[in-house]
Amino acid sequence: EDQVTQSPEALRLQEGESSSLNCSYTVSGLRGLFWYRQDPGKGPEFLFTLYSAGEEKEKERLKATLTKKESFLHITAPKPEDSATYLCAVQARGGTSYGKLTFGQGTILTVHP
Amino acid sequence: AAGVIQSPRHLIKEKRETATLKCYPIPRHDTVYWYQQGPGQDPQFLISFYEKMQSDKGSIPDRFSAQQFSDYHSELNMSSLELGDSALYFCASSLRGFEAFFGQGTRLTVV
Repeated sequence: EDQVTQSPEALRLQEGESSSLNCSYTVSGLRGLFWYRQDPGKGPEFLFTLYSAGEEKEKERLKATLTKKESFLHITAPKPEDSATYLCAVQARGGTSYGKLTFGQGTILTVHP
Repeated sequence: AAGVIQSPRHLIKEKRETATLKCYPIPRHDTVYWYQQGPGQDPQFLISFYEKMQSDKGSIPDRFSAQQFSDYHSELNMSSLELGDSALYFCASSLRGFEAFFGQGTRLTVV
């Protein structure tokens, strides 16, 4: 069964204090690893999909990287508006349809001014 | 750009009633997913459709059913509602499984 574990569960940063969120996964053949941002009561907002080890993607202050066992979401010089829950999800290969995303529990990020 | 549209945004039902949630995927997307998210929890996969055919099934109760119609919109039907069904229900769509985009969700409250 596919499993995703995110750490830490919660992270408090000062504005401008860079850090990283971790997503460890086990999956029977990774098709894609997804990162989302979710604000309270809202739908997950798509950030990145990574498909192969060594791949990196960037968007503003966020950079996602992927290895064979884990992914990191690096946040550079965060701002208070980056405060949210960050979710990681994996999608397994296989079949002719495009399978479900299995989510981790998320990391609650709080950035203080 | 068009996004995933869900309706209604909020729904209050009594126990044992029936609810129908609707999802309109992004145009030309061929895959629809339904998720349930309880307070403080990660989204739990319910069911998915690929080209209007059920493609995968998760922890969806037998009281729930879903389908995707010829215009690609999808409906999640929930019967004999229980208090524990209160949650946020999300629909997501993707093209061939890449970049799954979520709607804003339906908040279901069962009283």
